[in-house]
Amino acid sequence: AQSVAQPEDQVNVAEGNPLTVKCTYSVSGNPYLFWYVQYPNRGLQFLLKYITGDNLVKGSYGFEAEFNKSQTSFHLKKPSALVSDSALYFCAVRDIPNRDDKIIFGKGTRLHILP
Amino acid sequence: DTGVSQNPRHKITKRGQNVTFRCDPISEHNRLYWYRQTLGQGPEFLTYFQNEAQLEKSRLLSDRFSAERPKGSFSTLEIQRTEQGDSAMYLCASSDQGARQPQHFGDGTRLSIL
Repeated sequence: AQSVAQPEDQVNVAEGNPLTVKCTYSVSGNPYLFWYVQYPNRGLQFLLKYITGDNLVKGSYGFEAEFNKSQTSFHLKKPSALVSDSALYFCAVRDIPNRDDKIIFGKGTRLHILP
Repeated sequence: DTGVSQNPRHKITKRGQNVTFRCDPISEHNRLYWYRQTLGQGPEFLTYFQNEAQLEKSRLLSDRFSAERPKGSFSTLEIQRTEQGDSAMYLCASSDQGARQPQHFGDGTRLSIL
């Protein structure tokens, strides 16, 4: 069965510095990978996805993520953090060869951007 | 595109009561999903519909839970004889058909069991 791990419960970054939120996955075949962000008392907002092709995908609000098949990772990155980026971030995977339409979410990483 | 709408936003009820939540998906989306999210966790899949057909139910979904999407548009999630452990945020999402499509989430219904 597919799974997603977000090894850090919380990440603290100073405003203006680059940020990375880590994600590793486990699937039986080729994955479809997603990042979502959640603000307090709100639903999840889609940021970006990796389906196929270029390993570096760009998404909303200046975020990007790098797919690394050999390391089974899909880390979220941003070159310069903003205080408004402070939120809960979820990595998610869909395991296509099993024709399973479920998306499995990680436990989330809370990102704190320090002014 | 008005987004996914969920009602009510917050429901407080006594243990043992029945509750029903409603989800209105993005109008052109034929897939609708229900998730449960507890504090400190990611969303856990409960069930999903393609049009009016319920295609999969999680083993997490006990017999007290039932979901419907009668006309392939809005959906309801009912919990009968609520228990303390049912306290959570219930999230609805919708998407176009196709595994490449991201899911678009509503703001959820927070259920508190007294």
